[in-house]
Amino acid sequence: AQSVTQLDSHVSVSEGTPVLLRCNYSSSYSPSLFWYVQHPNKGLQLLLKYTSAATLVKGINGFEAEFKKSETSFHLTKPSAHMSDAAEYFCVVRVGANKLIFGTGTLLAVQP
Amino acid sequence: DTEVTQTPKHLVMGMTNKKSLKCEQHMGHRAMYWYKQKAKKPPELMFVYSYEKLSINESVPSRFSPECPNSSLLNLHLHALQPEDSALYLCASSQVYGTDYGYTFGSGTRLTVV
Repeated sequence: AQSVTQLDSHVSVSEGTPVLLRCNYSSSYSPSLFWYVQHPNKGLQLLLKYTSAATLVKGINGFEAEFKKSETSFHLTKPSAHMSDAAEYFCVVRVGANKLIFGTGTLLAVQP
Repeated sequence: DTEVTQTPKHLVMGMTNKKSLKCEQHMGHRAMYWYKQKAKKPPELMFVYSYEKLSINESVPSRFSPECPNSSLLNLHLHALQPEDSALYLCASSQVYGTDYGYTFGSGTRLTVV
């Protein structure tokens, strides 16, 4: 069965320092993977998606993620955190044609 | 138009009330979804409509009744809900087929059952 595991429930960084949010996936074939962000009391916004094209995927707001098949990972990174990046981040895998399975989320705090 | 619009944004209802949540998109997406998100939890799939037909029901209680009257609209009819049904209800849409598509989510309806 396909699934994703987010390795950290909380991550805290200082403004201007790099961000790393970790996600491992489980899939018997090449998965479709996504990162979504949810700000407090808001809906979900797509940051980026991997669908078997380039392994390094660039998203919005300076985020990017690298698909590593050998490590079954799809970690989200950003070179320099901004206060506005504080939010909940979800790693998501698509199962079949239309079903999304969400990871448990990582809450990113950005300290001034 | 690249948005999914959900109304109302907030809803408080009693356990004997009947209410409906509405979702609308004009991106030409033929798959539409309802997700339920409890506080500090990830969203969980409830229903999927594909070409206006119900294709997935994740064993949701019958007090939740989805409806897809046309390709742009998705409703969720609520009746005799319980306090534990209080949550953020998210609507999403996407293409039906292909490998390179994403999902667009609405901002959600925050439902409180009293």
